Amino acid sequence: AQSVTQLGSHVSVSEGALVLLRCNYSSSVPPYLFWYVQYPNQGLQLLLKYTSAATLVKGINGFEAEFKKSETSFHLTKPSAHMSDAAEYFCVLSKGFQKLVFGTGTRLLVSP
Amino acid sequence: KAGVTQTPRYLIKTRGQQVTLSCSPISGHRSVSWYQQTPGQGLQFLFEYFSETQRNKGNFPGRFSGRQFSNSRSEMNVSTLELGDSALYLCASSGDNPQETQYFGPGTRLLVL
Repeated sequence: AQSVTQLGSHVSVSEGALVLLRCNYSSSVPPYLFWYVQYPNQGLQLLLKYTSAATLVKGINGFEAEFKKSETSFHLTKPSAHMSDAAEYFCVLSKGFQKLVFGTGTRLLVSP
Repeated sequence: KAGVTQTPRYLIKTRGQQVTLSCSPISGHRSVSWYQQTPGQGLQFLFEYFSETQRNKGNFPGRFSGRQFSNSRSEMNVSTLELGDSALYLCASSGDNPQETQYFGPGTRLLVL
């Protein structure tokens, strides 16, 4: 079965520090993977998408993710955290035909 | 282009009632998916409509139903509401490609008392 696992329900960083949000996937076929962000009381916004064209994917707001098949991972990083990055982040796998499988989410807390 | 819109944004109902939520996709998008988000279960896929036909369905009881109109707008209906149906209901639209990115609306927050 296809699934995603996000390690850590909460991650705390200081402003300016590296952000690393971990995601591992399980898929019997080459996966389509996404990272979405959700701000309080809002819907989901696409950060970036992996479609096998390149293993390092750059997204919006300075985020990027690297697809590592050998580790079945798709971790999200940002070199320097900003207060506005505080939100919940979801790693998502597509099963095709618009059926998405979501990770449990990681809440990012950024302290000044 | 305007984004995905959902109405109403907030709703309060009592147990046993029914509710209808509406979603207008991005112009040109023919696929509309619905998701339920709760603190306990996270984000779960409800169903997906494409060109007025339900193409995919998640593991929800028959009380949850939907439909799509010829202009791609979609509605979701929940009958005989239960307390556990309290959730944020998210709608997403995408183009024709089965792996195309989904764009989400702001959601409808339903509270069942």
